[in-house]
Amino acid sequence: GAGVSQSPRYKVAKRGQDVALRCDPISGHVSLFWYQQALGQGPEFLTYFQNEAQLDKSGLPSDRFFAERPEGSVSTLKIQRTQQEDSAVYLCASRRLTSGRAYGRGDQFFGPGTRLTVL
Amino acid sequence: AQRVTQPEKLLSVFKGAPVELKCNYSYSGSPELFWYVQYSRQRLQLLLRHISRESIKGFTADLNKGETSFHLKKPFAQEEDSAMYYCALNYGGSQGNLIFGKGTKLSVKP
Repeated sequence: GAGVSQSPRYKVAKRGQDVALRCDPISGHVSLFWYQQALGQGPEFLTYFQNEAQLDKSGLPSDRFFAERPEGSVSTLKIQRTQQEDSAVYLCASRRLTSGRAYGRGDQFFGPGTRLTVL
Repeated sequence: AQRVTQPEKLLSVFKGAPVELKCNYSYSGSPELFWYVQYSRQRLQLLLRHISRESIKGFTADLNKGETSFHLKKPFAQEEDSAMYYCALNYGGSQGNLIFGKGTKLSVKP
């Protein structure tokens, strides 16, 4: 089946502009994660959704970052008044919700990422 | 606090040589560890998970709780193994948040 898709793949923004990054998870995957990957670093957790509920936004670096998943499928990460330090690859991952002993566990499948460059 | 450390930024070996990519973690709970790989121009993908005790593409990794390590090993490296490798720790319990190391770039020379 189709994997996680993200759009746009590349985005160049001028400092101060607002941007919106889209993630289409694997169909039926309940859990959705956003990560930020700066150059030369590993991905860092931003926020987590279970269906439409944003259960954890502890990784969002500032109140300029906002994420939503209104219908429990597609998710959008919005960054307001972009700054140069926001330049990074933004990764989305989805996971099938498991039950029983393995509840909450399971593999995360990653999208190709959106490379954001803020000039 | 939880942490994942990959001490080598770059590892270069010749084809057929053994390879070991190091990963150390810091976590107070019961760790769940993964290795992810990213080939050139491809997305991040799961290579293996410690809980499955599996071997994928000839790679294995053993969780050593005493040394808090999860090193990735392969006895005979192939050129197609050249990629970025990330070690990751699930610290989020049922939620499943992952902490990643900074990654090791493996280069296998002919």
